[in-house]
Amino acid sequence: AQKVTQAQTEISVVEKEDVTLDCVYETRDTTYYLFWYKQPPSGELVFLIRRNSFDEQNEISGRYSWNFQKSTSSFNFTITASQVVDSAVYFCALSEIDISSGSARQLTFGSGTQLTVLP
Amino acid sequence: DTGVSQDPRHKITKRGQNVTFRCDPISEHNRLYWYRQTLGQGPEFLTYFQNEAQLEKSRLLSDRFSAERPKGSFSTLEIQRTEQGDSAMYLCASSLARRGTDTQYFGPGTRLTVL
Repeated sequence: AQKVTQAQTEISVVEKEDVTLDCVYETRDTTYYLFWYKQPPSGELVFLIRRNSFDEQNEISGRYSWNFQKSTSSFNFTITASQVVDSAVYFCALSEIDISSGSARQLTFGSGTQLTVLP
Repeated sequence: DTGVSQDPRHKITKRGQNVTFRCDPISEHNRLYWYRQTLGQGPEFLTYFQNEAQLEKSRLLSDRFSAERPKGSFSTLEIQRTEQGDSAMYLCASSLARRGTDTQYFGPGTRLTVL
């Protein structure tokens, strides 16, 4: 069975601080996908990133960066120079890979981290 | 390109009533997923379709729940004889089942309150 753990329930930072959101996962599959989604107060889940398990290269997109370490089963998310608009709940998710199509299957989500960025 | 839409956005019902939710996926997407999210938790998988075929159902999906995707486009999720424990946000997502383009995009959800 798959499991995603986001141990940080709530984090509060002051604007312009850097913040890292932790994600640890469990799976018996050797290949899988990892995702991060953002859920702002409006409630709609917004896709941020998708990572294949055999690609451990870290990724940077603007103020966002992701650190994937297969050896520790972690996929952490860092926001640099945080802004008030970053305030949201952030979810890490894991998916098996459908053998026939090579595509992702249903997502297993963590319980989320509520990030509050104070002005 | 329009995103995933869900209707209604909010539903309040009395215990024992039946409710039906609708999801319209992104037009070219062949996969459609239903999830349920309760307060303070991440979404939990309920079921998914590829085209009109329902390929998997979670153990969370009791006999009172049924989902359809009759023509491989929109989908409906019906809950019969609602219980207070059914109160949650019901999320729909769609994707194109092809390697590299299979990211799931979510709709705004339907919030169900069972009194």
